[in-house]
Amino acid sequence: QQPVQSPQAVILREGEDAVINCSSSKALYSVHWYRQKHGEAPVFLMILLKGGEQKGHEKISASFNEKKQQSSLYLTASQLSYSGTYFCGTVGGAGSYQLTFGKGTKLSVIP
Amino acid sequence: SAVISQKPSRDICQRGTSLTIQCQVDSQVTMMFWYRQQPGQSLTLIATANQGSEATYESGFVIDKFPISRPNLTFSTLTVSNMSPEDSSIYLCSVEDRIGVPLSGANVLTFGAGSRLTVL
Repeated sequence: QQPVQSPQAVILREGEDAVINCSSSKALYSVHWYRQKHGEAPVFLMILLKGGEQKGHEKISASFNEKKQQSSLYLTASQLSYSGTYFCGTVGGAGSYQLTFGKGTKLSVIP
Repeated sequence: SAVISQKPSRDICQRGTSLTIQCQVDSQVTMMFWYRQQPGQSLTLIATANQGSEATYESGFVIDKFPISRPNLTFSTLTVSNMSPEDSSIYLCSVEDRIGVPLSGANVLTFGAGSRLTVL
């Protein structure tokens, strides 16, 4: 089941904040966040696991509500380099490598 | 993290032909994955390729259309057979990768830059 992301697109001015949401209709073991710039490979940003473990880049923060099967990615004091499409990927079981990606959120940061 | 090289980076193909995409990793990895990304769309898993065994295909993808080889721990190929315009997509190779601290059975994916296929 593909996770649902919102919003589909957002435009920010440099320095503004944004929140991208990801929700699933089934129980999750982990949520992954990736960013893809146009014409480039998706790049890992953050992983959040059931039970509270998480690992990712220092300037990126995210939350994972296991009960609601929801995750949010927080982008603060946005920079031009934050522009791209953000994908959440969900994993249903421990040890599974099968990531199911959402449709993506296109973020544009303008001067 | 692993470094992945994909070839070709892009190609224009004629309907009915087949094209093989190569994926080379700079380190040995157990699992390799092939994804498809249609224009402006999300990433859809085609199959998982383990060395020494048959690839495992996701619903909607079949071996006759997308044969995969995995001859060793650093290399894999995906063939798109008998192509039609609907196969125009970016095909990405990825590997499971450790991110420093081994988190309870969780691995993340490192992607290649992708192969952009246009079928006329």
